Amino acid sequence: NAGVMQNPRHLVRRRGQEARLRCSPMKGHSHVYWYRQLPEEGLKFMVYLQKENIIDESGMPKERFSAEFPKEGPSILRIQQVVRGDSAAYFCASSPTQTDTQYFGPGTRLTVL
Amino acid sequence: RKEVEQDPGPFNVPEGATVAFNCTYSNSASQSFFWYRQDCRKEPKLLMSVYSSGNEDGRFTAQLNRASQYISLLIRDSKLSDSATYLCEGGANNLFFGTGTRLTVIP
Repeated sequence: NAGVMQNPRHLVRRRGQEARLRCSPMKGHSHVYWYRQLPEEGLKFMVYLQKENIIDESGMPKERFSAEFPKEGPSILRIQQVVRGDSAAYFCASSPTQTDTQYFGPGTRLTVL
Repeated sequence: RKEVEQDPGPFNVPEGATVAFNCTYSNSASQSFFWYRQDCRKEPKLLMSVYSSGNEDGRFTAQLNRASQYISLLIRDSKLSDSATYLCEGGANNLFFGTGTRLTVIP
């Protein structure tokens, strides 16, 4: 049973470009969470999705950021018109239910030049 | 007020020492609690679940204090390899992470 997969592992973008981060949850997991972590800081919750639905996006910036988890395929975190402050590690986690432990992917490290 | 709060540390302890971290939660209806470990530039990994009666796994002991609304993680006989950030997670219908407590074990 493969773990949570994220790609790319490293992503470099110039200011103003778009960044697309993908997350494939563990088999059988329908709950997906996205977190952002700045260097030397803690995990910051961004969004919680269940298949085709956004359950909680209270941690997501109102502009430029969007997330989806389609019926088929991975969950996507999309950042439009990236700025230097978006540089961070973005972790995805999945769980089988809302109150089970979360299993994390290896993260995508986004660098904005 | 945050759902889950932790002292960020850092905790610097000598090898062999016993160290304990606490994590407070604000929602008295919280039922599920976990401790994770995160190494530098790596993803968090589950260390142990926290059961109502307390549980132990080798040198690690997790406890829940419902009256005071906190969970704790005790590490006995600290090893250099225990150096990491320890994150707690807890909640009722939704689970929330603390910001993590950094531990450095010194030779």
